[in-house]
Amino acid sequence: GESVGLHLPTLSVQEGDNSIINCAYSNSASDYFIWYKQESGKGPQFIIDIRSNMDKRQGQRVTVLLNKTVKHLSLQIAATQPGDSAVYFCAENRGSGGSYIPTFGRGTSLIVHP
Amino acid sequence: EAGVAQSPRYKIIEKRQSVAFWCNPISGHATLYWYQQILGQGPKLLIQFQNNGVVDDSQLPKDRFSAERLKGVDSTLKIQPAKLEDSAVYLCASSPVGPAFHTEAFFGQGTRLTVV
Repeated sequence: GESVGLHLPTLSVQEGDNSIINCAYSNSASDYFIWYKQESGKGPQFIIDIRSNMDKRQGQRVTVLLNKTVKHLSLQIAATQPGDSAVYFCAENRGSGGSYIPTFGRGTSLIVHP
Repeated sequence: EAGVAQSPRYKIIEKRQSVAFWCNPISGHATLYWYQQILGQGPKLLIQFQNNGVVDDSQLPKDRFSAERLKGVDSTLKIQPAKLEDSAVYLCASSPVGPAFHTEAFFGQGTRLTVV
């Protein structure tokens, strides 16, 4: 069935490096995507979103790239800090009967070594 | 602005017992979601409300799970009877606009349920 998934379950980086977290989606009709960060013991927290009419969107230290041709998303974190250690999820809003259902992938655990 | 409030934070019950979770969304938020997050997985939507009406409950195991959002504000999620596989974190989230619009969801800290 159609799903949102992630390529790598765990990513380890050194503090100061740039991190890239990837996500594949299979629903070609999806037109809105969100990246969430989930720290241990907390609920997911919004990082950045992107609509399908865009290829790139930048925030503070984060950039999301969308490649609709291959149905791929990536989250780039510049100058990764220990506080960035968390699980990162991409989510898509799937249309269903006139409403959107936020659907999450499995997640990637980012570990930042000082 | 106060965030999404959930209680209790933790709950341990025996299988076949009943349990209820409570959620108070951000004030004025029309849409409310309940998600189930099993360890090592992403959140899975159980039910979505717009005000006090159900928008989607296609993934809610209705033989044992029920949810309501009386008066379109607070919500409760109940499991009766619980099974071992219900052990998970139950997350409540809300968003300011209706489900026909693209928007982020604001999540509470969740209730960690352990069924033994």
